[in-house]
Amino acid sequence: QKEVEQNSGPLSVPEGAIASLNCTYSDRGSQSFFWYRQYSGKSPELIMFIYSNGDKEDGRFTAQLNKASQYVSLLIRDSQPSDSATYLCAVDHRDDKIIFGKGTRLHILP
Amino acid sequence: GAVVSQHPSWVICKSGTSVKIECRSLDFQATTMFWYRQFPKQSLMLMATSNEGSKATYEQGVEKDKFLINHASLTLSTLTVTSAHPEDSSFYICSARGVVETQYFGPGTRLLVL
Repeated sequence: QKEVEQNSGPLSVPEGAIASLNCTYSDRGSQSFFWYRQYSGKSPELIMFIYSNGDKEDGRFTAQLNKASQYVSLLIRDSQPSDSATYLCAVDHRDDKIIFGKGTRLHILP
Repeated sequence: GAVVSQHPSWVICKSGTSVKIECRSLDFQATTMFWYRQFPKQSLMLMATSNEGSKATYEQGVEKDKFLINHASLTLSTLTVTSAHPEDSSFYICSARGVVETQYFGPGTRLLVL
């Protein structure tokens, strides 16, 4: 079983709609969860982190964590063409690393 | 967020030469730094983890004698690609982590080996 799983996409969302990105993880002991955005040809940049069950909102972004289901998601409200990128889910690991998923490509349709 | 720099951003070299890439945490002390490689349209691949003052831990399949990592201070780690070959051409990205779990990435270094 892969440690951090994401649908590779592409996920196409109309401009102005809500984009929903999902991620599951295998290590029940994980405590820290991160979402990074990577534009083509650039390095990843941190969007949000979440440690507690529930929702965490920052501007148009909402991270959702459900530890019982080992599921973390990122919602992007009022999607803009500039949100088109690959979104990486990352989860802390028992040996002091952060494990990245392979990413979901998001395409916002103008 | 925290700032991580990399130098150089681009390097082109001849096959057989060695290339050194620097990664610096500019506004925090990085107890751990990570080196990744990413080929076009592929996902990040962790190469090694380095802690300040100790030897790097390499991922399976990564040659430690080819990819030399030095983490000499809490703000600087270097990756040296020794005897580079065309197949080493890639996008090399470092990240740094301080006291908290969050990793911050540098802007990356594009290596082209002719």
